[in-house]
Order: sequence, then structure tokens, then C-alpha cells
Amino acid sequence: NAGVTQTPKFRILKIGQSMTLQCAQDMNHNYMYWYRQDPGMGLKLIYYSVGAGITDKGEVPNGYNVSRSTTEDFPLRLELAAPSQTSVYFCASSYSGPSGIYNEQFFGPGTRLTVL
Amino acid sequence: AQKITQTQPGMFVQEKEAVTLDCTYDTSDQSYGLFWYKQPSSGEMIFLIYQGSYDEQNATEGRYSLNFQKARKSANLVISASQLGDSAMYFCAMREGHPGGYNKLIFGAGTRLAVHP
Repeated sequence: NAGVTQTPKFRILKIGQSMTLQCAQDMNHNYMYWYRQDPGMGLKLIYYSVGAGITDKGEVPNGYNVSRSTTEDFPLRLELAAPSQTSVYFCASSYSGPSGIYNEQFFGPGTRLTVL
Repeated sequence: AQKITQTQPGMFVQEKEAVTLDCTYDTSDQSYGLFWYKQPSSGEMIFLIYQGSYDEQNATEGRYSLNFQKARKSANLVISASQLGDSAMYFCAMREGHPGGYNKLIFGAGTRLAVHP
């Protein structure tokens, strides 16, 4: 199993550009999440999804959009990039269900995004 | 409001000694879970240990143990016999609600641990 994979690893954007951060998991997890981590800080939840076709906002959703058309994929879209979106972005997944013991979240390796 | 507080921005420990990283939390939920993650300089998030609010025993995973004091709302991570590879950022996180439900995690600001030889 590859676990949670993210592409790209690094990206530099100009102000106003758009891009999509890709995230995929092969663990058949129903829950998926996007977090951002600003320098010296903990992670903050941007969006999450409890299953294909279902998404909802987290703590800091402004400037982002998501979709979940399949169980495996959960892309994060940035429209009109701003310097405030310079951060490291982590995708995560977990399983919640009758057999879920404590719903540990598995994280991808992160995408380091710089907006200039 | 739900909150995680890690009051130690940085900690130093000598190799082979034990170290305690502090974490306090605030929640009005009766059912919740507490997690510790390690983030080495390479950036990935590594799950270390979990404690459920109804677990009577403190969680242990190898050299990691969680000192859970429910009345004080604290969930400190204890690392025994520190190794150089333990140098990293450590995050405490809380999941609210029951284990089978929505698994939103709230993270603290982290503690940077440096292990000296």
C-alpha cells in the first residue's frame, strides 16, 4: 500500500494563479481531510469529506475548494492564490465505522506551496 | 471552545534520559480522544500514541507513554530513554466525539524536542 500520496511536493505560484493539489489514498478510508500548517504552528483543518460526494468546511476554508468524486481522491483547489496561502498542505485519511478502534489519521508527505 | 495548549515551545533532553512534553486540553464533550504526532525535519506526520477519554489505563507504545489526568485535562507525552532520532516537533491533538463518528482533529502549536548526545 502506498498510503496517502500527495502531488506536487513543492510549488511556487504567482499571486492570482490557480492550482489543484492532488491527494489519493489506497486504504479504502471513508474520511479524508485537508490541513494547512503555517511556519511554527500546528495544523488547521481546511476541508474534510466523510465519503464520496460529501464535503464540508473546516476551520479555514476561505480561498479553497474541494471535491470528492471517488473514495480514493480528494483534490484541493486554490483559486486566485494569495501570499497568505503560502503554507505546507497536508492531506490525511481515516476510517470511521464499526470496526474503527480509534480512527487514527494517516497523513501524506505534504505539499510546500509558496505564493509570490 | 475546544482547544489544545502546548506550553513548551522547545525542550532539550540528554540522550538516554526521559522527557515529558506537556499538553492540556479544553472540551465540553464527555467522549473524546487524544493523539500525539511526531513531525521530524523531513516534514511528515507520524502517529505515536492515542488515549480515549474513557480509557482507564494510560496508553503506552514502546518508549512512548501518555500520562492522562482527566480531572486536570492534561495528556502529557513521556518519552523514555531518548534517542537522537527523537529530535523533532511533537504535536498533541484532540478528537471530539465518539470513535465511530466524525474525526475532526484539533492540534496544538507543538513542542520542538532536541536530544543531545
